[in-house]
Amino acid sequence: DGGITQSPKYLFRKEGQNVTLSCEQNLNHDAMYWYRQDPGQGLRLIYYSQIVNDFQKGDIAEGYSVSREKKESFPLTVTSAQKNPTAFYLCASRTDGATNQPQHFGDGTRLSIL
Amino acid sequence: DAKTTQPNSMESNEEEPVHLPCNHSTISGTDYIHWYRQLPSQGPEYVIHGLTSNVNNRMASLAIAEDRKSSTLILHRATLRDAAVYYCIPDSGAGSYQLTFGKGTKLSVIP
Repeated sequence: DGGITQSPKYLFRKEGQNVTLSCEQNLNHDAMYWYRQDPGQGLRLIYYSQIVNDFQKGDIAEGYSVSREKKESFPLTVTSAQKNPTAFYLCASRTDGATNQPQHFGDGTRLSIL
Repeated sequence: DAKTTQPNSMESNEEEPVHLPCNHSTISGTDYIHWYRQLPSQGPEYVIHGLTSNVNNRMASLAIAEDRKSSTLILHRATLRDAAVYYCIPDSGAGSYQLTFGKGTKLSVIP
């Protein structure tokens, strides 16, 4: 079935360590997004990409980095510069960035600090 | 971005209809109204969307006020699997790059 796969489901980070969250989609979608969700809160946009080799900062990009080398993949790196990384991270995709079509979400990665 | 107002929480008995309201008085004329729901520890799931006319799909119905300043998501027969947080989101489509999720309405379904 087509969909979005995020891995790992749970991730632990040590102080000063960078970690990378994987997001893969087989929906042939051009646009992909990374959101962060804190307990009891809505989603906040970290980065988004509308086409391969292009991406833009969202509302809370500091301490994060992304790449978009392939249409199917949009990995997120949480760097040591992100001082409060503990959160639920969600990846989403959409047909393209200029439609009103729904976004499809993965099941998320829960990141915690050791 | 259009702002939305939803009740923090609602309760429903199983097998009964549920009407989840949303106010979006600042919505623009071209913004679609999207509804998503999120179960605990899962990503949001698309439910339904519409522009002006009422919409139906296998999951729910969406009733949009004539002035478009409010809408209501209707679950015709609530089941325990419908217990989730429901988000109402205006989406402008062209040129929009994100969905702005508020805190939504937490729906509890009583057996």
